[in-house]
Amino acid sequence: AQSVTQLGSHVSVSEGALVLLRCNYSSSVPPYLFWYVQYPNQGLQLLLKYTSAATLVKGINGFEAEFKKSETSFHLTKPSAHMSDAAEYFCAVTGGSNYKLTFGKGTLLTVNP
Amino acid sequence: DADVTQTPRNRITKTGKRIMLECSQTKGHDRMYWYRQDPGLGLRLIYYSFDVKDINKGEISDGYSVSRQAQAKFSLSLESAIPNQTALYFCATSPGLDFRDTQYFGPGTRLTVL
Repeated sequence: AQSVTQLGSHVSVSEGALVLLRCNYSSSVPPYLFWYVQYPNQGLQLLLKYTSAATLVKGINGFEAEFKKSETSFHLTKPSAHMSDAAEYFCAVTGGSNYKLTFGKGTLLTVNP
Repeated sequence: DADVTQTPRNRITKTGKRIMLECSQTKGHDRMYWYRQDPGLGLRLIYYSFDVKDINKGEISDGYSVSRQAQAKFSLSLESAIPNQTALYFCATSPGLDFRDTQYFGPGTRLTVL
């Protein structure tokens, strides 16, 4: 079984501030973890993914996430928020070839000028 | 041109009507998926297809059916639409063997059932 919990359905930051979006997972097998972003009126696109290689994963648009097995976490960060980062962010987990992809409920990021 | 297209983009229909949502892709991927998105619930998998001859139910397949007409086309049908099927529907594709691969999403179809 696998699940994802995204802490905070809505996060608001000021432009230039640190972005931290939290994701905790549960998986009975070594997980593969993803962050997807959904801009207004668009489909989802991949930001980054963890596939059991490096624990610190760098993605597009300056985002990165760190896999911490001991904390079962895969939090998404960006040092300095831009207005263009305003979107909904989804964390997702799969356990491998016999597992489907399970999405979290999403976190809406608002960036204030 | 978009790699994954969905038609229609918006649809309003009435309870009991049959409706089909269509998805086409030019990415050459074998795997295709249908998800629905509801506010506060994230995305939930309806059906997925590994190739033209292989179709599988997802976690919420009741009330839906699918057809994989070709590698590039995957359609979702609601045989008798009901109001709780009002949602945003996404088609996605992926190139590889399983759910560990990146999925590429279409722009979505917003369906309203009155």
